[in-house]
Amino acid sequence: IAGITQAPTSQILAAGRRMTLRCTQDMRHNAMYWYRQDLGLGLRLIHYSNTAGTTGKGEVPDGYSVSRANTDDFPLTLASAVPSQTSVYFCASSPGWTINEQFFGPGTRLTVL
Amino acid sequence: AQKITQTQPGMFVQEKEAVTLDCTYDTSDQSYGLFWYKQPSSGEMIFLIYQGSYDEQNATEGRYSLNFQKARKSANLVISASQLGDSAMYFCAMRGGQGAQKLVFGQGTRLTINP
Repeated sequence: IAGITQAPTSQILAAGRRMTLRCTQDMRHNAMYWYRQDLGLGLRLIHYSNTAGTTGKGEVPDGYSVSRANTDDFPLTLASAVPSQTSVYFCASSPGWTINEQFFGPGTRLTVL
Repeated sequence: AQKITQTQPGMFVQEKEAVTLDCTYDTSDQSYGLFWYKQPSSGEMIFLIYQGSYDEQNATEGRYSLNFQKARKSANLVISASQLGDSAMYFCAMRGGQGAQKLVFGQGTRLTINP
């Protein structure tokens, strides 16, 4: 069982470019999340999805968009990347929409130059 | 709003000793959950333990236990018989309320186990 996979593992991106970070889970979890981790700031929620077909904004949603066409996939798109979006991005999932356990993918390290 | 405070940026402990990582939280919700995660140098986030606000007993998972003191709003992680492989960043996190859609994380504590 793979759990949560993220792609790419790392990416260097020119400012202004569009980028989609991919996230796939095989646990049939209803809820999925995107966080970013910055040094000294811990993890902050970008967007979430309670179930397929629904999404919501987290703490730092500006500059990012998500979609949830099916249960397994939850891509995160940066429409026009800026250097402040340099970060490590974690996708996570939980079985239900009340979080009692939440599992994380391996992360994507994104550098915007 | 929820807030998590981890006051120990770094800790150094001898192997086989027990270690307590501090976590205090602030919330106005009556129902909430508290989590601890481990992040080794490889970068992945590993779920360790969960405590619900209405759970009367402290959560335990193997060598990990959560010292939950509701009145003091603290949720310290205790690692018994520490091992070299316990060296990592440790994050305390909470969710607030039923259906809360995010975890709020503290800034983390870097634990180093010395041989």
